[in-house]
Amino acid sequence: QQKVQQSPESLSVPEGGMASLNCTSSDRNFQYFWWYRQHSGEGPKALMSIFSDGDKKEGRFTAHLNKASLHVSLHIRDSQPSDSALYFCAVSENSNNRIFFGDGTQLVVKP
Amino acid sequence: AQTIHQWPVAEIKAVGSPLSLGCTIKGKSSPNLYWYWQATGGTLQQLFYSITVGQVESVVQLNLSASRPKDDQFILSTEKLLLSHSGFYLCALQGENTLYFGAGTRLSVL
Repeated sequence: QQKVQQSPESLSVPEGGMASLNCTSSDRNFQYFWWYRQHSGEGPKALMSIFSDGDKKEGRFTAHLNKASLHVSLHIRDSQPSDSALYFCAVSENSNNRIFFGDGTQLVVKP
Repeated sequence: AQTIHQWPVAEIKAVGSPLSLGCTIKGKSSPNLYWYWQATGGTLQQLFYSITVGQVESVVQLNLSASRPKDDQFILSTEKLLLSHSGFYLCALQGENTLYFGAGTRLSVL
């Protein structure tokens, strides 16, 4: 059973625009969230983790977690063509347990 | 800092032939290690994990096997490849609050 659902499947934004990605956990035991980014032909790299309610900002990237609804979002402001990649949401029961990945959102940033 | 070296970078193999993919870790002792498989542009499917030498747990059956012969080495293998084995294989290391992935091995089975 899929532990985490992501939307949309794909997203296209203009350069300089805002990209918004969504993720929901289907299991209330899984409340630790990560965002990973994978450029074509490379391994995924962790973008950020978020374990507490509210916002977490790292540069142009902001994650927002609502534990009551088990929903996390990722917002990328001033999107760049180099942000074009496959973005995975991942969840776990705690910060060091097995991690389950969503199906990913393919982001394309058009120059 | 820990590093993950995967080999080979890419393989083209015939159906029915054997396969061995490897992963070597530097910079972290007794790491938890994982093998993932990814279809092109697809999700990450965890295949195996290992918390110590000689101990490997299977997560999903895909006619593959894995071994942990040394603390810093994780091997993925099969004696007979299927067309469905094509894809991108990733080794991952459990770090502090996150997973670190290697660069992957691209496998094409023809």
